[in-house]
Amino acid sequence: NAGVTQTPKFQVLKTGQSMTLQCAQDMNHNSMYWYRQDPGMGLRLIYYSASEGTTDKGEVPNGYNVSRLNKREFSLRLESAAPSQTSVYFCASSRDRNTGELFFGEGSRLTVL
Amino acid sequence: SQQGEEDPQALSIQEGENATMNCSYKTSINNLQWYRQNSGRGLVHLILIRSNEREKHSGRLRVTLDTSKKSSSLLITASRAADTASYFCATRSTLGRLYFGRGTQLTVWP
Repeated sequence: NAGVTQTPKFQVLKTGQSMTLQCAQDMNHNSMYWYRQDPGMGLRLIYYSASEGTTDKGEVPNGYNVSRLNKREFSLRLESAAPSQTSVYFCASSRDRNTGELFFGEGSRLTVL
Repeated sequence: SQQGEEDPQALSIQEGENATMNCSYKTSINNLQWYRQNSGRGLVHLILIRSNEREKHSGRLRVTLDTSKKSSSLLITASRAADTASYFCATRSTLGRLYFGRGTQLTVWP
């Protein structure tokens, strides 16, 4: 009963470093999402993948890239980390894009110094 | 912003009392969802109400939706200390996008 698994849970980077957040789901869901959560801002959508082979920008895509590696996995890459990207990142999945509930991972807390 | 906005931002009550949180939004929706987040954890889906529904129940949860006022409320009856968490509304637009509000922090004192 893993659901949505994110790695790593914690990461500290220096400005300019790169890293990839990994996400995998075992529910055979078509759609996957990356959100960031900042204090007082709620959750904001970075990128999403409506189905395997497709990705689209969300509300705050600048500074990020994504890869939908297969139906299970959706990764988020920071090419050159900035302090403004310090946040908690959540991966989520849903059966399809237009309806239904999202299932969330436990989050990845990223600090950029 | 197309986000739902929860009200109040924080709510503090005693065990056994009812907790009511409200959500207002701006655009037409396909459905509205409520999520719960315990401190340091991911969000967990609580309940979904479709745009053609007015009220829905799930255990101690009651959700209402008034599309004419573009608002929803979440009622938790007979609150418990374990209900302490942040609660978020999320609106699914007719174009399929899901927008989250900033959340209500609920504290239930034993």
